[in-house]
Amino acid sequence: QKEVEQNSGPLSVPEGAIASLNCTYSDRGSQSFFWYRQYSGKSPELIMFIYSNGDKEDGRFTAQLNKASQYVSLLIRDSQPSDSATYLCAVCSRDDKIIFGKGTRLHILP
Amino acid sequence: DTEVTQTPKHLVMGMTNKKSLKCEQHMGHRAMYWYKQKAKKPPELMFVYSYEKLSINESVPSRFSPECPNSSLLNLHLHALQPEDSALYLCASSQDWDTANQPQHFGDGTRLSIL
Repeated sequence: QKEVEQNSGPLSVPEGAIASLNCTYSDRGSQSFFWYRQYSGKSPELIMFIYSNGDKEDGRFTAQLNKASQYVSLLIRDSQPSDSATYLCAVCSRDDKIIFGKGTRLHILP
Repeated sequence: DTEVTQTPKHLVMGMTNKKSLKCEQHMGHRAMYWYKQKAKKPPELMFVYSYEKLSINESVPSRFSPECPNSSLLNLHLHALQPEDSALYLCASSQDWDTANQPQHFGDGTRLSIL
């Protein structure tokens, strides 16, 4: 059974600080990794994707992938109240199936 | 506004009704998906349609049936649904079925309530 694990939270971070969200996956052959942000009652919104080991930066967001340790993380710098949402980690496995984690609720404290 | 358009945004129907959810994308993507999402849960993949081939999650009951009139449309026909089918139904698309390199873009969803 392929799994994607996330801490459900809530993760509380002061405004302006760095929020760090983590995700582990069980399928060592997974090839691509996505982070979605989902506001309550809304559809998931893709914010980052990463395929290669290392860091990928886009504005205030940095995705980090470590395939040997089977984890992917998302860092949000200079956290804003508008970043408060549920962050879903999604992993594309070897057989092209997208598997979502259960999400981490992030709360930015003003 | 998203590039994947879903209609209707809300739907209330009885268990004996037949209705359809519509999804359209204008990005030239070749793969489209339907997901079901219950409150506070991650999306669950129901169907994938790509290159005229339909892939089905085996746990999806037959009262849900997808239809792809063309490469930019993926409809979901509903018949004899049960109260537990009440959920947010999300449509997504990606450039290709080789999802290893193609992230998915979601529509705003249809919130379905079964009476």
